[in-house]
This record gives sequence, C-alpha cells and structure tokens, in this order.
Amino acid sequence: SAVISQKPSRDICQRGTSLTIQCQVDSQVTMMFWYRQQPGQSLTLIATANQGSEATYESGFVIDKFPISRPNLTFSTLTVSNMSPEDSSIYLCSGLLGDNEQFFGPGTRLTVL
Amino acid sequence: AQSVTQLGSHVSVSEGALVLLRCNYSSSVPPYLFWYVQYPNQGLQLLLKYTSAATLVKGINGFEAEFKKSETSFHLTKPSAHMSDAAEYFCAVSSSNTGKLIFGQGTTLQVKP
Repeated sequence: SAVISQKPSRDICQRGTSLTIQCQVDSQVTMMFWYRQQPGQSLTLIATANQGSEATYESGFVIDKFPISRPNLTFSTLTVSNMSPEDSSIYLCSGLLGDNEQFFGPGTRLTVL
Repeated sequence: AQSVTQLGSHVSVSEGALVLLRCNYSSSVPPYLFWYVQYPNQGLQLLLKYTSAATLVKGINGFEAEFKKSETSFHLTKPSAHMSDAAEYFCAVSSSNTGKLIFGQGTTLQVKP
C-alpha cells in the first residue's frame, strides 16, 4: 500500500488568487493523478501528473487553470489559478501502484469567497 | 469509452441487515473494477478490486463483490450491516494501460439502529 499526504488540508481563499496544493507519497508509484470532488458529487479526473514532463489533462481542464508539476516519483503539486467560487471543491491526489491499486490522499478542501 | 452507473443514490438498511449496493459498468476493453468508501470529511479508502482473476472478490470490513460479465455488473454486498458502515460508496472502472479511474455517482449508505 501507499500513504499519501496533502497540504494544506483546507483553505479559504479570495476570488482571483491562486493556491498550490502539495501531494507527497511515501513510496514510488507508477502514476499520480489529481481529482476534483465538487460539493455533494463524485470524483472527476483533472489530469495525470507525469514525471518530468507536462501533465496530461482531461477534457474540460486546461493547464493555464490547473498547472501541475511532478519533479520526482513521489511528489506532485496542483495549482488552482485565478480562483472563482465555482472552484470550491475537494481536490484529491492519488498514486497508482504496480498491482493497479490506486491510493488517495485525504484531500484539500478549498473554499473560494 | 468507459462509464459506471450506480443505481440508487441513497440506500438505507437496518443494522444487521444485508447491504447491497449496485454498480453497472460499460467498457470496450476488459475492465478493472473497484469499490471505494469515503467517510465524512475523509479521503477515499479502497474496499476491494477486480482485476480479471477470481470473479468473487473479498475486501476489507466484510464486504465482497461479484463480477458478472454477462450482466456488466459489480455489485457490492455485506451480509450484516454495522453502524460504522454508514458512508459514501463509489464504484469505479479503469483500464489497465491508463490507470485512470472513472467513478460512479456514489451511493450514500445509511444504517439505522
């Protein structure tokens, strides 16, 4: 298994600002992902974080709004840029192990005023 | 393309009763199927997974699920509900080569004393 931590656990931000969320895995994982969970809804994949190269974004998500870095096999960041109240969500990162098990961090609860 | 449908956004059972949470999938490739549980204000925890081995999969906390290809289903069951099982349950599908998870809408399980 893998233990995943995220920082911050929650934040309240002003409209127009940006927030960077950090994700740390305690072991090397083959892939890392970022998901969004809007209030009362299911999870939607934002992007696959690729080590040392640009992330791969899903339809409806763009790099300018959600820049992602993954400098090594165990760490990734997601930035939510130029925030609006519609960005208020839980953001979760995950890591994929070789046996196709995907483990999730505790999430970052973001409220945008 | 892959998709998941969870039948019933809310399921209520009495303590000690059978738990049945329904999940149907659509996939053009052999699927990997998962059930996750999310307790209030927490991240996702993997309950069990199907990865083309045994069709009856046993997971943690007494849960199990059966993969039925003919019915494209992967329903989650537990013989006897416990109060601590009250949570949100998500069914998810992925393909082996991407690792990306596609989630169902989620089912809220309520356990009545």
